[in-house]
Amino acid sequence: DQQVKQNSPSLSVQEGRISILNCDYTNSMFDYFLWYKKYPAEGPTFLISISSIKDKNEDGRFTVFLNKSAKHLSLHIVPSQPGDSAVYFCAASEGQGAQKLVFGQGTRLTINP
Amino acid sequence: GAVVSQHPSWVICKSGTSVKIECRSLDFQATTMFWYRQFPKKSLMLMATSNEGSKATYEQGVEKDKFLINHASLTLSTLTVTSAHPEDSSFYICSAQGDRAEAFFGQGTRLTVV
Repeated sequence: DQQVKQNSPSLSVQEGRISILNCDYTNSMFDYFLWYKKYPAEGPTFLISISSIKDKNEDGRFTVFLNKSAKHLSLHIVPSQPGDSAVYFCAASEGQGAQKLVFGQGTRLTINP
Repeated sequence: GAVVSQHPSWVICKSGTSVKIECRSLDFQATTMFWYRQFPKKSLMLMATSNEGSKATYEQGVEKDKFLINHASLTLSTLTVTSAHPEDSSFYICSAQGDRAEAFFGQGTRLTVV
């Protein structure tokens, strides 16, 4: 059972435009959510996170939105840059401590010049 | 962000031999480390959780006698793939968590068993 789902395996966006990556989850016990960026043959790099007590968290070009009632979160990147091309994973955990993360399948984002 | 170093970044070994992968947190103390495996074009699959000084907790379906995990200090965890077979070929990634909520990942290790 896939508790965290990223239904779009790939996304192409023009440079300068907004990239929106989506993620859905089924486990209502999840209360902490993270986004990671991954290049081929490298480990994931932490981008941004959000606690369930918030519905938005912003860090520079990256904003994560959380809709608890819909069990949905999204990552907005604006403006998109060529260096943003990578695979993006959303992850969820129960609690913010050293809890195991459950990852989505990933979305490959390609930024076109 | 915090730095997690994983070594080696790639290794080729003969079938039947054992391979050890190291994961070090360089600038923080990692009370918990996680080991993941990633299959091609797939998500990260959690293999086990290790806490410093105690036995690792393995996820369902992961053979603990095949994937030996040791977390002897707050900065080092090792994963040993014993009696490796070609089906063990994969990308293995560790992550470490200290007192911050987010986990930091190593660079990953590409294991090829021939």
